[in-house]
Amino acid sequence: TQLLEQSPQFLSIQEGENLTVYCNSSSVFSSLQWYRQEPGEGPVLLVTVVTGGEVKKLKRLTFQFGDARKDSSLHITAAQPGDTGLYLCAGAGGNEKLTFGTGTRLTIIP
Amino acid sequence: AAGVIQSPRHLIKEKRETATLKCYPIPRHDTVYWYQQGPGQDPQFLISFYEKMQSDKGSIPDRFSAQQFSDYHSELNMSSLELGDSALYFCASSLGWTEQYFGPGTRLTVT
Repeated sequence: TQLLEQSPQFLSIQEGENLTVYCNSSSVFSSLQWYRQEPGEGPVLLVTVVTGGEVKKLKRLTFQFGDARKDSSLHITAAQPGDTGLYLCAGAGGNEKLTFGTGTRLTIIP
Repeated sequence: AAGVIQSPRHLIKEKRETATLKCYPIPRHDTVYWYQQGPGQDPQFLISFYEKMQSDKGSIPDRFSAQQFSDYHSELNMSSLELGDSALYFCASSLGWTEQYFGPGTRLTVT
């Protein structure tokens, strides 16, 4: 069974600060996706990383895929209240069904 | 841009009743996935279909069945509902084995 551990589980920081969320596994994934989910709504795809060592930027968000394709990180620069939400990493492997991480609930305090 | 459509958005059923959830994928997407998300939990994979054929099966109870139709929409049928089936049910679609886009979900409450 492939497991994805995210850390931290909860994070509450002031507006303007930087933060990093980690997603770790002992398994290799063919790709890894990051989603953001609002309460009662479906996960919204933020980015997909495929190549080991790949770095993708989405405005103030920087995503990195580990060289061995077992782990990933999400770094947010100058966090804003609109960044508040549940962030989920999800690994794809074998028929591409997604295995979701344990989630990081982020709160940005104005 | 068109997104994944799910219906109904909310459903209330009693124990032992049946429920049918529908999913309409993004146009031209040929792969559909079903996930179940319990309160405070991450989504758990149930089942997937590619080109109308079941492609993978996860932790889906025997009381549940699903299929993908010729127009690529999918239905998840749930029988003998139990209180523990109360959850958010998400459908996602993709073009082949690419990025998955999720629908808004169906909130099922079993009383």
